[in-house]
Amino acid sequence: GQSLEQPSEVTAVEGAIVQINCTYQTSGFYGLSWYQQHDGGAPTFLSYNALDGLEETGRFSSFLSRSDSYGYLLLQELQMKDSASYFCAVLNQAGTALIFGKGTTLSVSS
Amino acid sequence: GAVVSQHPSWVICKSGTSVKIECRSLDFQATTMFWYRQFPKQSLMLMATSNEGSKATYEQGVEKDKFLINHASLTLSTLTVTSAHPEDSSFYICSARARGQGVGKDTQYFGPGTRLTVL
Repeated sequence: GQSLEQPSEVTAVEGAIVQINCTYQTSGFYGLSWYQQHDGGAPTFLSYNALDGLEETGRFSSFLSRSDSYGYLLLQELQMKDSASYFCAVLNQAGTALIFGKGTTLSVSS
Repeated sequence: GAVVSQHPSWVICKSGTSVKIECRSLDFQATTMFWYRQFPKQSLMLMATSNEGSKATYEQGVEKDKFLINHASLTLSTLTVTSAHPEDSSFYICSARARGQGVGKDTQYFGPGTRLTVL
């Protein structure tokens, strides 16, 4: 089966940089995704890495190392609105459904 | 584009009653839809995969007779929680993959979720 590990909580101040790590164990691997979820809302897609390396999208970047079964989400110039839960996720063996990690709660203070 | 809606957005029901939640893809055809459950402060747990015109595939530990899933058309899947009990209170979220998407690509569109409270 698929399993993912990520820290449960991270705190930071506005303007700072935060890195949320994710390690995974999978039967079959297609890529690593990151989702953001605010309280009471649906998860929203942030990024997807299928190949090794860094992908940058604005203030958010995501990194993948397939050989290390490891990835991270980097959030720069943190804003209060970035306070949310962040989930790493992989596709199941069939390559269709997403399996989510337990999530990291990010709290950004002023 | 690629909007998924859920109805209702929240529902409160009495223990023992059944509740139906609808998931619709508004502007695309969804051959596959997924149902997730999320308890407070926890992750999204995949409950089942629903393919249009065929029986749903349930994850281990999910009671298929309690959580009835129907995917009768390319734009609609329904989840019925039968004989609901307080422990079924949760946030139920659906997602959909568009027709023609290949295996191994993460392009899923999530609905806004339905909060179920069973008294």
